Amino acid sequence: GAVVSQHPSRVICKSGTSVKIECRSLDFQATTMFWYRQFPKQSLMLMATSNEGSKATYEQGVEKDKFLINHASLTLSTLTVTSAHPEDSSFYICSALTSDLAQYFGPGTRLLVL
Amino acid sequence: EDQVTQSPEALRLQEGESSSLNCSYTVSGLRGLFWYRQDPGKGPEFLFTLYSAGEEKEKERLKATLTKKESFLHITAPKPEDSATYLCAVQAQGGSEKLVFGKGTKLTVNP
Repeated sequence: GAVVSQHPSRVICKSGTSVKIECRSLDFQATTMFWYRQFPKQSLMLMATSNEGSKATYEQGVEKDKFLINHASLTLSTLTVTSAHPEDSSFYICSALTSDLAQYFGPGTRLLVL
Repeated sequence: EDQVTQSPEALRLQEGESSSLNCSYTVSGLRGLFWYRQDPGKGPEFLFTLYSAGEEKEKERLKATLTKKESFLHITAPKPEDSATYLCAVQAQGGSEKLVFGKGTKLTVNP
């Protein structure tokens, strides 16, 4: 199956700093990637759709200036949480879309903002 | 609005006790229905994609089936390592590749 990686797997930062999370498709090219957020014991919440070479599409209620997404190549999308605050602490997961329109997920990034 | 409802929310089985998980859906036009397995603290692991009513797919002890209104994930003779949360998601026709997820079924298999 298709392999998607995320880096870092865990990050702890101070309130007010910015954190960048990388999502890579390792064995296929992905023009479309997705970013999700997951709270404890809840299902995945789609934050935005990342398209290679164009602006991301954000879901309703997700702040564009807070969660910056860049999809600069066919194998890499990045999510930057700007001026992070404790309420941004969460589990962030990316997925990449294959040519047969299946989504393969990364292992997730645990963000803790102190 | 596209919706996915999974039942039960939680299921406890004894090792070897077969059962089924249900995923009911309403979607304007189904492009695909997906099953994933998620372990605590990890991203979802792809299991199956089903595209049309009557389709079935199998992988080890798991078998997924699809009708026009629901999908079942049958688990035959489960083992403790099958314990996880199983997520169902639908992808609608019409251009967007977004998935709409159910809340999942947490499966615990006791030895």
